[in-house]
Amino acid sequence: KQEVTQIPAALSVPEGENLVLNCSFTDSAIYNLQWFRQDPGKGLTSLLLIQSSQREQTSGRLNASLDKSSGRSTLYIAASQPGDSATYLCAVNSGYALNFGKGTSLLVTP
Amino acid sequence: DVKVTQSSRYLVKRTGEKVFLECVQDMDHENMFWYRQDPGLGLRLIYFSYDVKMKEKGDIPEGYSVSREKKERFSLILESASTNQTSMYLCASSPSPAGSGNTQYFGPGTRLTVL
Repeated sequence: KQEVTQIPAALSVPEGENLVLNCSFTDSAIYNLQWFRQDPGKGLTSLLLIQSSQREQTSGRLNASLDKSSGRSTLYIAASQPGDSATYLCAVNSGYALNFGKGTSLLVTP
Repeated sequence: DVKVTQSSRYLVKRTGEKVFLECVQDMDHENMFWYRQDPGLGLRLIYFSYDVKMKEKGDIPEGYSVSREKKERFSLILESASTNQTSMYLCASSPSPAGSGNTQYFGPGTRLTVL
């Protein structure tokens, strides 16, 4: 069974810092990997999707990389802002449904 | 924009009640999913459906059933609600079979409390 781990579980940084969130998975036979954002009490918003054949995807200040052979992905957030405060979830698609990590709770302080 | 709606944002029910959670998507997606989210456990798949009247068990189907009579609607049923089913329930849909690389779109969630 695919296991997805996210490190760190929580992170607090001052505004303006660049930061990296980590995700690892145990089975490299994946179709794609997604990063989601979840605000408190809300649903999930997809940020980036990386296909298994790709190495990275970028959207604005966000950059996600994928190293399928080592079972790792990183989400890089540049010039963090207080509005980036949320929980970030990594999810791996190995079949019909997604296997999620438990998330990294990010707090960006002004 | 893809829209996935869930019938209630908050729901309070009594132990033993039959509970229906409804999910509707407006983009003609083949696949629909029900997850529950609990602190420290993350999101876990309850059931999914890849076509009308088709369903597959996920990781934690015990105590739940589902119904998909129309393509756009996927219902989660708690036959006899119990306190350990107090959770956030999230519905999702995706437009194509596994392996296509398309994203899943999530609804806003229903926070269910069973007293």
